[in-house]
Amino acid sequence: DAGVIQSPRHEVTEMGQEVTLRCKPISGHDYLFWYRQTMMRGLELLIYFNNNVPIDDSGMPEDRFSAKMPNASFSTLKIQPSEPRDSAVYFCASSPGTGGWGNQPQHFGDGTRLSIL
Amino acid sequence: AQTVTQSQPEMSVQEAETVTLSCTYDTSESDYYLFWYKQPPSRQMILVIRQEAYKQQNATENRFSVNFQKAAKSFSLKISDSQLGDAAMYFCAYRGYGGATNKLIFGTGTLLAVQP
Repeated sequence: DAGVIQSPRHEVTEMGQEVTLRCKPISGHDYLFWYRQTMMRGLELLIYFNNNVPIDDSGMPEDRFSAKMPNASFSTLKIQPSEPRDSAVYFCASSPGTGGWGNQPQHFGDGTRLSIL
Repeated sequence: AQTVTQSQPEMSVQEAETVTLSCTYDTSESDYYLFWYKQPPSRQMILVIRQEAYKQQNATENRFSVNFQKAAKSFSLKISDSQLGDAAMYFCAYRGYGGATNKLIFGTGTLLAVQP
């Protein structure tokens, strides 16, 4: 069974450029999460979706960040324009919905290491 | 707001020995879930073990077990017979139950080194 797939694995780009991170959740999972991991702030939830609908985007740092989930098998996190302080590892995770919250764990992708020069 | 605290930034254990990683949390909820995730140098986040707060019995997964003390809001992870492959960053995480609380709240992590 394929896990959560993220691309690219590494991204290096110059300040001011648009960056798009991609995620394919595990098939059948109703929830999708985007996290950012930095040394200073640890793991932070940016946004999560339920059945393709954004539920909580309170963790999105500012308007330069946007996320979409056009269908159940694909999500993007976009940063435009990018800044050096956006450098981090970005994780996507998914979990099933079981008619309640249950104890279903989140399954993480391998992350995208983003470096903004 | 819920918080998760891991007070040990780094720990070290000899191969085949036992180590305990600490985690405390703060919440006003009575039902919730707790998790330990492992992040090796490959940076994958791997679920190690989970605990439902309404269960009194401590969860166990092979060499990994927890000591869940609900009143003390403590959730420590014990690794028995430590192996070199256990070397990783370990994160404790909390998730609320029901409502709009499907978020995982992570601690800052404990870096575990395993000495041969």
